[in-house]
Amino acid sequence: QVQLVESGGGVVQPGRSLRLSCTASGFTFRTYGIHWVRQAPGKGLEWVAGIWNDGSKTHYTESVKGRFTISRDNSKNTAWLQMNSLRAEDTAVYYCVRDVWETTVTTFFDSWGQGTLVTVSS
Amino acid sequence: SSELTQDPAVSVALGQTVRITCQGDSLRTYYASWYQQKPGQAPVLVIYGESNRPLGIPDRFSVSTSGNTASLTITGAQAEDEADYYCNSREGSGDHWVFGGGTKLTVL
Repeated sequence: QVQLVESGGGVVQPGRSLRLSCTASGFTFRTYGIHWVRQAPGKGLEWVAGIWNDGSKTHYTESVKGRFTISRDNSKNTAWLQMNSLRAEDTAVYYCVRDVWETTVTTFFDSWGQGTLVTVSS
Repeated sequence: SSELTQDPAVSVALGQTVRITCQGDSLRTYYASWYQQKPGQAPVLVIYGESNRPLGIPDRFSVSTSGNTASLTITGAQAEDEADYYCNSREGSGDHWVFGGGTKLTVL
C-alpha cells in the first residue's frame, strides 16, 4: 500500500535550519509530484511547497520562498524539505503529500504521511 | 494571491443532509478537492473533480460546483462524519495550491 513517512522534525531555535525527509513506498515514486503541507497548532492546512515528479520544477508559498527548498531523489524514493532561517511562525506539523494530476484542472492530494512536528522556539 | 473561503463551523442533525461550501476565484478554473481531518489524524481525501470518491469513501459524500463556489454535500450524515473539512485547489497560474480555512462539522 502507498506509504509516506516523514522524519526530521524537532525543536529548533529561531534562525536555525532543519531538514525534513519523506520516504515513500508502495508506488512508483518517480511518477508522482510531492508536496509539503503544514498545519500550525490549532490552525488549518497550508500548502508549503511542491516538486514535479522528475524534479524539474519546484514551487513555494510566498512566506517560505528563499528560505525553504524542496528536492527529491527518485533513486532513493525520498523527498526533502530543507528549512533555513526558521521563524516561530513556521512551527507546525509538516505533512508529505502525493499529488495526482487527473487532468490539468483536476488535481488532488491522494496520500498523506502522518506528519512530523517542527517547533521553532528559543 | 487567491483564497478559498469556508464557513468556520456547521452543524447537522444525525441522518440529515448538510452542505459545506468553499468560495474562491480559482474554482472558476480548477476543480476543488476535499479533505476530512479528525483530531490527531492526518487529512484524508474524500472527494475530487466533478464528484469522484476514492475507494472506501461512502457515497453519501458528493460535490457540486457553480461559478466560484464548490459545495460538499453529506446526505444522511453519520456520527463518524464529525470532523474538520478542507477544500483545496490549484490557483492562479496553476503553480500554487491553496486550502480553505476549514469547516468544523458537528453532528448532533
